[in-house]
Amino acid sequence: GAGVSQSPSNKVTEKGKDVELRCDPISGHTALYWYRQRLGQGLEFLIYFQGNSAPDKSGLPSDRFSAERTGESVSTLTIQRTQQEDSAVYLCASSSSSASGQPYEQYFGPGTRLTVT
Amino acid sequence: AQSVAQPEDQVNVAEGNPLTVKCTYSVSGNPYLFWYVQYPNRGLQFLLKYITGDNLVKGSYGFEAEFNKSQTSFHLKKPSALVSDSALYFCAVRDGRTGRRALTFGSGTRLQVQP
Repeated sequence: GAGVSQSPSNKVTEKGKDVELRCDPISGHTALYWYRQRLGQGLEFLIYFQGNSAPDKSGLPSDRFSAERTGESVSTLTIQRTQQEDSAVYLCASSSSSASGQPYEQYFGPGTRLTVT
Repeated sequence: AQSVAQPEDQVNVAEGNPLTVKCTYSVSGNPYLFWYVQYPNRGLQFLLKYITGDNLVKGSYGFEAEFNKSQTSFHLKKPSALVSDSALYFCAVRDGRTGRRALTFGSGTRLQVQP
């Protein structure tokens, strides 16, 4: 079946502009995650959605960052007033989930490479 | 707080030789541990995970990892490396005691397998 898809694959924007990144998770996956990967570094957690529960926003680096998810489908990550330090690859992942918290593996999309000039 | 350390930025190994990519972790409860691989211009792919049970976990592409609680380690291993194994490898942990579902990733280790 289809994997996690993200769009756009690349985005170049000018400092101060807003950008919106999109993630389509695997169908049936109730959990959705956003991560950021700066050049040469590991993944940095941003936000997590699980069904209708309140999202875990503990990783968002500033109030310029926000994300939404419609039900158990598409999610959008919005960065307002972009700064050069926002340049990174933004990765989305989805997974199944259980009430007991048993960790299922996360399936990652190809990422959106954001460059702020 | 949970954390992961991958002490080697790069590991070089000759094709056919065994390989080890090191990972140590820190969590307050029981760890859930994962290895992912990232090939150039592609997303992360899941290799294997440890949740509970047998300390030796077998995964995709002939990889395995050994959970060592006393050393808080989860090293990735393969008996015979292939050139096609050359990629970036990430170890990740989740604390089984907290409700936080997100993974904490290490900084990654680049594996270079020479023919």
